[in-house]
Amino acid sequence: GAVVSQHPSWVICKSGTSVKIECRSLDFQATTMFWYRQFPKQSLMLMATSNEGSKATYEQGVEKDKFLINHASLTLSTLTVTSAHPEDSSFYICSATSGASTDTQYFGPGTRLTVL
Amino acid sequence: AQSVTQLGSHVSVSEGALVLLRCNYSSSVPPYLFWYVQYPNQGLQLLLKYTSAATLVKGINGFEAEFKKSETSFHLTKPSAHMSDAAEYFCAVSERDKIIFGKGTRLHILP
Repeated sequence: GAVVSQHPSWVICKSGTSVKIECRSLDFQATTMFWYRQFPKQSLMLMATSNEGSKATYEQGVEKDKFLINHASLTLSTLTVTSAHPEDSSFYICSATSGASTDTQYFGPGTRLTVL
Repeated sequence: AQSVTQLGSHVSVSEGALVLLRCNYSSSVPPYLFWYVQYPNQGLQLLLKYTSAATLVKGINGFEAEFKKSETSFHLTKPSAHMSDAAEYFCAVSERDKIIFGKGTRLHILP
């Protein structure tokens, strides 16, 4: 149980284009989803927290207009990187918690974004 | 704000030897503590978590961790390392509805 998927697993795009990453909870309803960014050989940096049907809460220093987060249902959250630049290249990981166990986050496999 | 410190960004042990990955936390109240493992190009997998029940927590893949309040530590151990244990390990502490991660320790297993 508690499986989280991400799609795509990797994506390459041109500078200036937008990229959408999906995060799905496959076997539970995710009351809260989190988006992280991980640079090579570094820890995870929390970007934002989203609750279903509400606006996402962004961490300090994260541009909300650049990283659009939508949490339209209890099983799906999307992260859209708008007008991507090479410095946005990174590993993006989502996680989700369920109402039954809000202290434990279940992580997706991550999405590798490369902006050319 | 809560934080965790992982001592040693890289740890190397021989196959079959004891694995010890160190983690210290800063918290004025009993925290929830976690250990996650990350294999290359993958997400994080929960190894174990401490939620103020038993101080010795057993996790998956033979790992366990002991919560020591007096030392504010939550070190991860495994009696006998296996080649498949080579990965990045993250200690984490919960803060309200967020998880704060340590910087990670890369575990290398020597044949």
